[in-house]
Amino acid sequence: NAGVTQTPKFQVLKTGQSMTLQCAQDMNHNSMYWYRQDPGMGLRLIYYSASEGTTDKGEVPNGYNVSRLNKREFSLRLESAAPSQTSVYFCASSSGHVEQYFGPGTRLTVT
Amino acid sequence: AQSVTQLDSQVPVFEEAPVELRCNYSSSVSVYLFWYVQYPNQGLQLLLKYLSGSTLVESINGFEAEFNKSQTSFHLRKPSVHISDTAEYFCAVIPRDTGRRALTFGSGTRLQVQP
Repeated sequence: NAGVTQTPKFQVLKTGQSMTLQCAQDMNHNSMYWYRQDPGMGLRLIYYSASEGTTDKGEVPNGYNVSRLNKREFSLRLESAAPSQTSVYFCASSSGHVEQYFGPGTRLTVT
Repeated sequence: AQSVTQLDSQVPVFEEAPVELRCNYSSSVSVYLFWYVQYPNQGLQLLLKYLSGSTLVESINGFEAEFNKSQTSFHLRKPSVHISDTAEYFCAVIPRDTGRRALTFGSGTRLQVQP
């Protein structure tokens, strides 16, 4: 039982490049989330998916898109990366019983 | 909307000393409360949670937190810290009765335990 997995662990992009962060969970959870973590700001919600086929914007959605491919997988896409998107990205999942389980994170640097 | 305030960004403490990490929240609706811990270069792990019942909740590694509704606080305490407790600690809330169960986090408190 791997829990929540994320790929890649590290990534360096140049401004304007695109990439997709992958997240998968094997706990049969309905809800999945993408957060970003910046120094001194805690974690902020980017997008949320309550169930397969649904997505909802969070606090900081600009510059990102998401896809809930199936119940297991929830990807985050940066279409044109900007230095302001340098951050650590965490995926999380929940069965709906409030407790969220987090992945190990993706550290992204945009130069 | 909810907001969470962690007043101390860093708390240095000597090993075996007591520690309190402060958390206050603001919300127009009732919330569930959580403390998460992040060890260096790792993801977040749930430390403890308050859902209902006794306002004092405990973790398996000696931390405890008390929900104080009148002061809208959920401070985290440990009577005697270890070097291994060095980590960043995040307080978070979720509204009880809405469908969108996304966490609102505080900015974090870095606990530095010194020998």
